[in-house]
Amino acid sequence: AQSVTQLGSHVSVSEGALVLLRCNYSSSVPPYLFWYVQYPNQGLQLLLKYTTGATLVKGINGFEAEFKKSETSFHLTKPSAHMSDAAEYFCAVSGGLWGSKLTFGKGITLSVRP
Amino acid sequence: EAGVVQSPRYKIIEKKQPVAFWCNPISGHNTLYWYLQNLGQGPELLIRYENEEAVDDSQLPKDRFSAERLKGVDSTLKIQPAELGDSAVYLCASSTTGQGNTQYFGPGTRLTVL
Repeated sequence: AQSVTQLGSHVSVSEGALVLLRCNYSSSVPPYLFWYVQYPNQGLQLLLKYTTGATLVKGINGFEAEFKKSETSFHLTKPSAHMSDAAEYFCAVSGGLWGSKLTFGKGITLSVRP
Repeated sequence: EAGVVQSPRYKIIEKKQPVAFWCNPISGHNTLYWYLQNLGQGPELLIRYENEEAVDDSQLPKDRFSAERLKGVDSTLKIQPAELGDSAVYLCASSTTGQGNTQYFGPGTRLTVL
């Protein structure tokens, strides 16, 4: 089975500080990996995804993530947090026998302090 | 281009009543998904359609939930009768066919069962 682990439910950073949101996955086949962001009372918006090729993936709003197969990780980073980054972030995996079905982690709430 | 449209955005009903949610996917997207998102959790797949065919409904509680996508475009998800535990956000997403393709999410319907 596929699974995603997002450690911790809440991360708080100061404006301008590094953002690091961790994601580890379990998959028996090469995975497709995604990060989505959800603002209050809205649907999920894709930040970035890894399918094949370059393991460092750049997304919208200055976010990037690196696929590390040996560590089964796909951590999300942003060099400098903005107030507008405050939201909930979900890591997800798909692929293999599960086709296009997305398996999500529980999500991490990011707070940004002025 | 219009995104995924869902209605209603909010619904409050008494337990044992029926309820229906409607989804209009992005034009040209053959694959349509319904996800359930409980408070503080990531979305979980209920059903996936490829055109008119439900190709993955293993997580759909078929005793009370039903779904249809008659013309391969719009879809309706129904609950009858609703239970208190059905209170959640119901998300619809669509994508082009194929693994690793981006799923685009609608804003969701927030259901409250009293």
